Amino acid sequence: DAGITQSPRHKVTETGTPVTLRCHQTENHRYMYWYRQDPGHGLRLIHYSYGVKDTDKGEVSDGYSVSRSKTEDFLLTLESATSSQTSVYFCAISGDKNGAEAFFGQGTRLTVV
Amino acid sequence: GENVEQHPSTLSVQEGDSAVIKCTYSDSASNYFPWYKQELGKGPQLIIDIRSNVGEKKDQRIAVTLNKTAKHFSLHITETQPEDSAVYFCAASTGFGNEKLTFGTGTRLTIIP
Repeated sequence: DAGITQSPRHKVTETGTPVTLRCHQTENHRYMYWYRQDPGHGLRLIHYSYGVKDTDKGEVSDGYSVSRSKTEDFLLTLESATSSQTSVYFCAISGDKNGAEAFFGQGTRLTVV
Repeated sequence: GENVEQHPSTLSVQEGDSAVIKCTYSDSASNYFPWYKQELGKGPQLIIDIRSNVGEKKDQRIAVTLNKTAKHFSLHITETQPEDSAVYFCAASTGFGNEKLTFGTGTRLTIIP
């Protein structure tokens, strides 16, 4: 398996609280991504990064922010969690932008109550 | 933006038979089409991909076909085995990298022993 670690693996939080999910890679891959997975929607891109401090928005970025201060870490922050952000979040990495294989982490199940 | 439709949403086949999953895409500029397999509790894993300059690609029991004119592509699994049971996702990319991947909604494949 590719060296991707997501933490935490499970989290329950209350509406209105900030939440940060962490993705850590040991592959030195340049590109990192955050997706959310919901029934009936497949995987949808939230944000992605193409280098340290270089990030851009994906399809469903509202309510989320990201940061990448080191190659190996990509953080996803929910500034004020809402019930609609209850989902399974996946981090992915890839080494080349031209359609190279993307490796996914194990996922983080987030429940907002 | 790109829209990817995937059918069927569930599929059950007898062990040893073939399984076919179909996807259609809307943006004629899409040029990269990967297929992912997701087992329970794990992240998606790339199993095969195809680019728009190729009509078919095979890897052992798995094959993907692409019809650019009709804008659809299909996954074919022959001689199915119990370990093929999983959720399969198709995706399409309009750019050169995974940041523009649009996923289908997934197909739950069950292999009946």
